[in-house]
Amino acid sequence: SQQGEEDPQALSIQEGENATMNCSYKTSINNLQWYRQNSGRGLVHLILIRSNEREKHSGRLRVTLDTSKKSSSLLITASRAADTASYFCATDEGFQKLVFGTGTRLLVSP
Amino acid sequence: EAGVVQSPRYKIIEKKQPVAFWCNPISGHNTLYWYRQNLGQGPELLIRYENEEAVDDSQLPKDRFSAERLKGVDSTLKIQPAELGDSAVYLCASSPITGGGGIQYFGAGTRLSVL
Repeated sequence: SQQGEEDPQALSIQEGENATMNCSYKTSINNLQWYRQNSGRGLVHLILIRSNEREKHSGRLRVTLDTSKKSSSLLITASRAADTASYFCATDEGFQKLVFGTGTRLLVSP
Repeated sequence: EAGVVQSPRYKIIEKKQPVAFWCNPISGHNTLYWYRQNLGQGPELLIRYENEEAVDDSQLPKDRFSAERLKGVDSTLKIQPAELGDSAVYLCASSPITGGGGIQYFGAGTRLSVL
């Protein structure tokens, strides 16, 4: 079962623009993670935000978490062609497993 | 440091045939996961190991799927017999943290096509 739902399903932007993708989930969490998946490759961890945190930064990435709305957003600033990938949010279920969302496919054109 | 290694990368078989996938996790990672990823979807957990013990196999279709992790290091996932609906990417991941909620490190996956 997939807990997270990403929005939009697909996003197409130009290099230099910002990309924002959103994730909604259903149950209480301890943490939420974002992963990137390039075509034909495995997932790569990007950032983890704990339930008591509201915002976190890592390089060009900014993640926010609103536990009252059960939602998170991932902002990629100054996008590059190399950012083209699928992005997944993942929520833990009682520290027992990660449940991944359906993903946002990002295309960054030069 | 070597990452999670999976083989083969691609496998094409006919339905009803058996197939096996192999995974070698990052050295020292006691927790190992197998996921299935259908086209256009996120990964879904099949089984989680803590060392040699399968601690969560609730999503593993046990009538045709089996897995083992001998000696608590590398692992194999087997499907016998394969069905058309098993076509997917099978991902292996590992983590240095026990429990299933921590950061996971993924292999490149095995893309299975069942004809």
